Amino acid sequence: DGGITQSPKYLFRKEGQNVTLSCEQNLNHDAMYWYRQDPGQGLRLIYYSQIVNDFQKGDIAEGYSVSREKKESFPLTVTSAQKNPTAFYLCASTSGTNTEAFFGQGTRLTVV
Amino acid sequence: AQSVTQLGSHVSVSEGALVLLRCNYSSSVPPYLFWYVQYPNQGLQLLLKYTSAATLVKGINGFEAEFKKSETSFHLTKPSAHMSDAAEYFCAVSTRGYNKLIFGAGTRLAVHP
Repeated sequence: DGGITQSPKYLFRKEGQNVTLSCEQNLNHDAMYWYRQDPGQGLRLIYYSQIVNDFQKGDIAEGYSVSREKKESFPLTVTSAQKNPTAFYLCASTSGTNTEAFFGQGTRLTVV
Repeated sequence: AQSVTQLGSHVSVSEGALVLLRCNYSSSVPPYLFWYVQYPNQGLQLLLKYTSAATLVKGINGFEAEFKKSETSFHLTKPSAHMSDAAEYFCAVSTRGYNKLIFGAGTRLAVHP
């Protein structure tokens, strides 16, 4: 079955640590996205990538970093510079412009 | 710039009643519009999409939405609510040649017996 796999489902981070969230897709989609979801705020775009080895900042990129070395993979690193990282993180992909996004099941990150 | 406004962060209906979730968009060019549903601790699933074909769009689980350009609206409806419809619903907008989806803040639908 084609789809997007995010791992882990739950992640706990100590203050001052960097953590990396995994996102892998086997849909052969060109574009991939990372969103952050907080209660009552909808989804906010962190980073997106339309092709391999290229990515752009979204609306809330500060404190995050990404890479796109392979078409199927788009990992997100939450750095210690992100002061309020506790949230639900969603990865998505699209096959082209104006097409619907397919989403992974999300990773819930909690700072302890 | 594009934007989406969902009126009502929480909507509560009785089982069997009409569901109406409101979405208004802002776009300087013809939009592409989407409705997604999210169950707790899950990703988003596409319910339906409008891409400049028919203005009345039918989706999964009995939902439909009507694109009204004059009202810049894309409200989601279902004639008869079911308990399993309880979830959070997101409206999103994109435009031709623009790969990003802009989401509304979401509406949480509660269905009571």
